[in-house]
Amino acid sequence: NAGVTQTPKFRVLKTGQSMTLLCAQDMNHEYMYWYRQDPGMGLRLIHYSVGEGTTAKGEVPDGYNVSRLKKQNFLLGLESAAPSQTSVYFCASSYASDLAKNIQYFGAGTRLSVL
Amino acid sequence: KQEVTQIPAALSVPEGENLVLNCSFTDSAIYNLQWFRQDPGKGLTSLLLIQSSQREQTSGRLNASLDKSSGRSTLYIAASQPGDSATYLCAVRSGYSSASKIIFGSGTRLSIRP
Repeated sequence: NAGVTQTPKFRVLKTGQSMTLLCAQDMNHEYMYWYRQDPGMGLRLIHYSVGEGTTAKGEVPDGYNVSRLKKQNFLLGLESAAPSQTSVYFCASSYASDLAKNIQYFGAGTRLSVL
Repeated sequence: KQEVTQIPAALSVPEGENLVLNCSFTDSAIYNLQWFRQDPGKGLTSLLLIQSSQREQTSGRLNASLDKSSGRSTLYIAASQPGDSATYLCAVRSGYSSASKIIFGSGTRLSIRP
């Protein structure tokens, strides 16, 4: 019953450091998403992918890069972390198909602090 | 540009009451709308998904309605319980495709008093 797994769960970075957040799903979902959640602002879409080898920009893509080399994994990279990127990051996945299978399933989140 | 608003930001009611949470969106061209629950420090759990062609969905004590023309959705919780305390978020998938972007509201933090 793994579902959507995010690693790491917590991380503290210094300004300018780089890191990669990993999201893995075992539900054979075509679509995967990265969000950030900040107090009072709900979730904002950073990047998403509609299939292996494809990525697209969301609402707030600047400062982030993503890759979807394998269907089950979606990586979020910060090349040069900034304090403004302190946030909780959520990964989600869903089927591509219509109707109720378009429901998104979320990971438990990664808490990132940039000092 | 689609904007999703949830008012109020916080709500506290006594146990046993029926309550309604509100979600409004600015662009009626939506593919579907989803209601989520988030417990403190946790991820999001999907509660109900309403397709653009539907008017409502029900699951147990929860009922979600959708009125595209007015840009509104409501989540009705019957006979509230302390375990219902959480933040409730609505999310709109704009456009006409299952791959369209999803826009979240900022959530309503619900507290049920025993």
